[in-house]
Amino acid sequence: GENVEQHPSTLSVQEGDSAVIKCTYSDSASNYFPWYKQELGKRPQLIIDIRSNVGEKKDQRIAVTLNKTAKHFSLHITETQPEDSAVYFCAASQAGTALIFGKGTTLSVSS
Amino acid sequence: EAQVTQNPRYLITVTGKKLTVTCSQNMNHEYMSWYRQDPGLGLRQIYYSMNVEVTDKGDVPEGYKVSRKEKRNFPLILESPSPNQTSLYFCASRFGSAAERSPLHFGNGTRLTVT
Repeated sequence: GENVEQHPSTLSVQEGDSAVIKCTYSDSASNYFPWYKQELGKRPQLIIDIRSNVGEKKDQRIAVTLNKTAKHFSLHITETQPEDSAVYFCAASQAGTALIFGKGTTLSVSS
Repeated sequence: EAQVTQNPRYLITVTGKKLTVTCSQNMNHEYMSWYRQDPGLGLRQIYYSMNVEVTDKGDVPEGYKVSRKEKRNFPLILESPSPNQTSLYFCASRFGSAAERSPLHFGNGTRLTVT
């Protein structure tokens, strides 16, 4: 089945720096790649997603890139702010139904 | 307000005492799912349901049961809880069966401790 690897597990940056989180997936049939943000003590919430027919997608300070050949996708956060501190999960969908999540990245933004 | 409601938020129980965690959504979503979240292991799917009376195993179904008798409700049942089921549990729902059609909406989570 699908396997999603996420790196790094923890990431610390200074406010204003950029942060990059990378994920790889194993099933070449996966076609949907969302990113979820989970603030401390709260539920995961979708922040951005990308489909396999698109190479890059941006939404203000966040962007996601997809390399289907290499089977990896990345989350880019520019001009980080303290409120970006959270756990970020990547995921890949297999067979159009099950979302397989990575193990998460704890991002800490210090001011 | 559109939401996924889980109860209880916190539960402490003893080994072997049957318990049920309820999940209800008011968005008329077809798809519902249960995840458990453990440090360093991310979100792992326990069971999911693509519609009423249709349920299937996820990655870690052992020790759990579910039912989907109504579209809005998807309870998680632990017949004989064990300490290794101590975890943070999330219920989630979305429109349709295809993940790319709509985002997953998560409940607020249930923190379960089994002693």
